[in-house]
Amino acid sequence: EAGVTQFPSHSVIEKGQTVTLRCDPISGHDNLYWYRRVMGKEIKFLLHFVKESKQDESGMPNNRFLAERTGGTYSTLKVQPAELEDSGVYFCASSLQGYTEAFFGQGTRLTVV
Amino acid sequence: GENVEQHPSTLSVQEGDSAVIKCTYSDSASNYFPWYKQELGKRPQLIIDIRSNVGEKKDQRIAVTLNKTAKHFSLHITETQPEDSAVYFCAASIRRAGFQKLVFGTGTRLLVSP
Repeated sequence: EAGVTQFPSHSVIEKGQTVTLRCDPISGHDNLYWYRRVMGKEIKFLLHFVKESKQDESGMPNNRFLAERTGGTYSTLKVQPAELEDSGVYFCASSLQGYTEAFFGQGTRLTVV
Repeated sequence: GENVEQHPSTLSVQEGDSAVIKCTYSDSASNYFPWYKQELGKRPQLIIDIRSNVGEKKDQRIAVTLNKTAKHFSLHITETQPEDSAVYFCAASIRRAGFQKLVFGTGTRLLVSP
C-alpha cells in the first residue's frame, strides 16, 4: 500500500514568489491534515480536511496560505506571496477516520530566500 | 489553546542505557497521546500511543506512561540501540468523531552512541 506522498521534496523560491505544495493521501483516507515545522520548533497544525471540506483551518497563519482538496483526493497548499518566515518543512498526513492513526508524508522543505 | 511542552531537547546516551522523554499538556480534555519517531530524512512514524483511560502501555523496549492528574506523559526506551537515534515528538489530541487535531511538542533529538 502506498503511503502519503508529497511533492516536491524540496523547494527554494524567492520572497514574493508563489509556491504550490501537493499531497496525495493514502487511498480511501477521507481525513487529510497539513502541518508545518519551522526550524527547531514544534510541528504545528495548519488545517484538516474531511473529504473536500475544511473541518478545521484554525492553524493557517494568514491569508497568504490557501489549501484546497477538490474532489476529496489530493490536496494542494499554495503560498502566495511567500515570505521569509514561511520557510520550514510542510508535512501532510492522512487518516482513515478522524480518530484513527495519522500517517505522515515525508514533507516538503520550503526555503524562501 | 492546547500547548505541549517537551523535554529535553537533546538527549545523548550510551548504547544499552535507558532514555526518558517527558511531555506536559495543558488541555485537560486531551484524550489521546501518540509518540512519533522521525529518522533523518524520513517521515514521522507512530511508534506508540496511549489513550486517557490507560496509565501505561508497553511495546517491547518502549513504554509510555500517562499521569492525567498532573497532565504529563513520558516515553521510556530501554536497552537503547544506535538505530533508536532520531527525533522523537510527543503529541496530545482531543479526539472525537470526525475530528482529530494533534498538538506536538518541540521534539527531542536522541543520540545513542555505540
